[in-house]
Amino acid sequence: GAVVSQHPSRVICKSGTSVKIECRSLDFQATTMFWYRQFPKQSLMLMATSNEGSKATYEQGVEKDKFLINHASLTLSTLTVTSAHPEDSSFYICSARGDRGPGQPQHFGDGTRLSIL
Amino acid sequence: AQKITQTQPGMFVQEKEAVTLDCTYDTSDPSYGLFWYKQPSSGEMIFLIYQGSYDQQNATEGRYSLNFQKARKSANLVISASQLGDSAMYFCAMREGSGGSNYKLTFGKGTLLTVNP
Repeated sequence: GAVVSQHPSRVICKSGTSVKIECRSLDFQATTMFWYRQFPKQSLMLMATSNEGSKATYEQGVEKDKFLINHASLTLSTLTVTSAHPEDSSFYICSARGDRGPGQPQHFGDGTRLSIL
Repeated sequence: AQKITQTQPGMFVQEKEAVTLDCTYDTSDPSYGLFWYKQPSSGEMIFLIYQGSYDQQNATEGRYSLNFQKARKSANLVISASQLGDSAMYFCAMREGSGGSNYKLTFGKGTLLTVNP
């Protein structure tokens, strides 16, 4: 099956630090990548959608300057949490899909647990 | 109104028995798709099964089948012969429309399945 790699799996850092999370599609070209945030025992909340070579589309209420998304190639998207604070602590998970029609699912990375001290 | 409703916060099933996880959806778009994902405690999201709104037959993938009742707007997941490894959170998700470049998913709140030995 399709493989999406997300790195790092866990980050612990001090308040004020910027953190970059990478999402790579390993065996297919990801036309679109998605970034989600998930709080404990809750569902996934879509933060933004990114298409290769264009600006990301952010969901309402998500700060663009806080969560910088870059989709530089068909296999790589990055999420940078800028000047992270404790309230940014969460589980972040990316997904990717190719261009094989509406039935193709999103394939997810393993997620990143971000803890800001 | 919620687009995806999963009314069972938690379900229990005995090993080797079948279990049905409920999902109802709300859309006015005639073209849509329904997905089920499994999220173990480790956090990764695993794609299980897909049903398109125009599909004539219910989808099946190994021990997973989707009981699709279009008139009732329900897309219940049936897991046959439950295994201990099936214990996880299960999310129902919907994609609306068949065109466009983004194919965003709307997720339900999930059902936590526990398989007892």
